[in-house]
Amino acid sequence: ETGVTQSPTHLIKTRGQQVTLRCSSQSGHNTVSWYQQALGQGPQFIFQYYREEENGRGNFPPRFSGLQFPNYSSELNVNALELDDSALYLCASSSGQEFNTQYFGPGTRLTVL
Amino acid sequence: AQSVTQLGSHVSVSEGALVLLRCNYSSSVPPYLFWYVQYPNQGLQLLLKYTSAATLVKGINGFEAEFKKSETSFHLTKPSAHMSDAAEYFCAVSTNDYKLSFGAGTTVTVRA
Repeated sequence: ETGVTQSPTHLIKTRGQQVTLRCSSQSGHNTVSWYQQALGQGPQFIFQYYREEENGRGNFPPRFSGLQFPNYSSELNVNALELDDSALYLCASSSGQEFNTQYFGPGTRLTVL
Repeated sequence: AQSVTQLGSHVSVSEGALVLLRCNYSSSVPPYLFWYVQYPNQGLQLLLKYTSAATLVKGINGFEAEFKKSETSFHLTKPSAHMSDAAEYFCAVSTNDYKLSFGAGTTVTVRA
């Protein structure tokens, strides 16, 4: 069974640019959630996708957007990058049968200069 | 809305000593509770979860946690610390809205 994978591992962008992060969910999981983890803090919920539809969103501006594809993989897009967007971005997948137990990928480290 | 408070941002224990990490939650509905561990430069690994079955939950690597509704707590323990337990630990809560709300984390260091 393949776990959650994310790409790229690391990314460096400059302020104002746009970035796309990718996530492949664990086999059999139809739900993907994205979290932002700033240095020294706990992860913060960005949004969740279930069967290609957004299924809840945290307190993040509209320049954070996402997609989920028919194979349940997902993308996180961030436009107009700001310095405070520098963080570890974590993707987690889950199924409907496990009380929303979420399994995390290794994360993408984004640095905005 | 739900939230989590982890008491103590840093815990230092001797190898072989008890590990106790404290977590209190706030939730207006019955919660699901989780503990995750994060090693440096890695993602989160699930240690254990409470989903309204047994109040004492056993997880991986010898960890366990007890759900106490009256105290709104879900403290994590391990009887004997190992050097490999050095990591950051996060308590998280979710309800029927399916988002996880995390605490700020507790960093564990293990002294030889």
